[in-house]
Amino acid sequence: GDSVTQMEGPVTLSEEAFLTINCTYTATGYPSLFWYVQYPGEGLQLLLKATKADDKGSNKGFEATYRKETTSFHLEKGSVQVSDSAVYFCALSAGNQFYFGTGTSLTVIP
Amino acid sequence: NAGVTQTPKFRVLKTGQSMTLLCAQDMNHEYMYWYRQDPGMGLRLIHYSVGEGTTAKGEVPDGYNVSRLKKQNFLLGLESAAPSQTSVYFCASSATGNTEAFFGQGTRLTVV
Repeated sequence: GDSVTQMEGPVTLSEEAFLTINCTYTATGYPSLFWYVQYPGEGLQLLLKATKADDKGSNKGFEATYRKETTSFHLEKGSVQVSDSAVYFCALSAGNQFYFGTGTSLTVIP
Repeated sequence: NAGVTQTPKFRVLKTGQSMTLLCAQDMNHEYMYWYRQDPGMGLRLIHYSVGEGTTAKGEVPDGYNVSRLKKQNFLLGLESAAPSQTSVYFCASSATGNTEAFFGQGTRLTVV
């Protein structure tokens, strides 16, 4: 069945460090791919998305490219800030459902 | 610009009690979802709906029921609460099955 596997956390980085959170997926057909972010005590917010192979989603300095050949959608940011501390979820939509990864907790220290 | 609104935000139940969680969206979305979030397990789909009057089971439907009598509302019911249902519950909606989902702020439920 369809599924998403993302990098285990927690991840701790210093401010201005480079961030990569790995995400791979298994799906039949042509899913859309998403990254969501969850700040403490809040619901999930869409960070970026890509709807077809080779699409690059970007927002707030974060980027991810839909790679069909490697079934991946890795999240990257060149220089993280303390305000980026949150839990990040990779997700795919296929048919009538969304499938989420288990989430990766990121803490950025000054 | 309300988006997806969940009520209540917090609730404590005793084992065996019943309750209903309400989700309302004002984006005219067809699809609505109920998830539960537990530490280390990400989000798990409980039930979903692809339109008014429809419901379907997700990954973890046991112990829950849902109804979608109006397009904008999706209700999640617990008939006889159990401690294993202690969790944070999120409602979400999307225009179609392949577009982004919008989430509510969550309901933190504790069953004692």
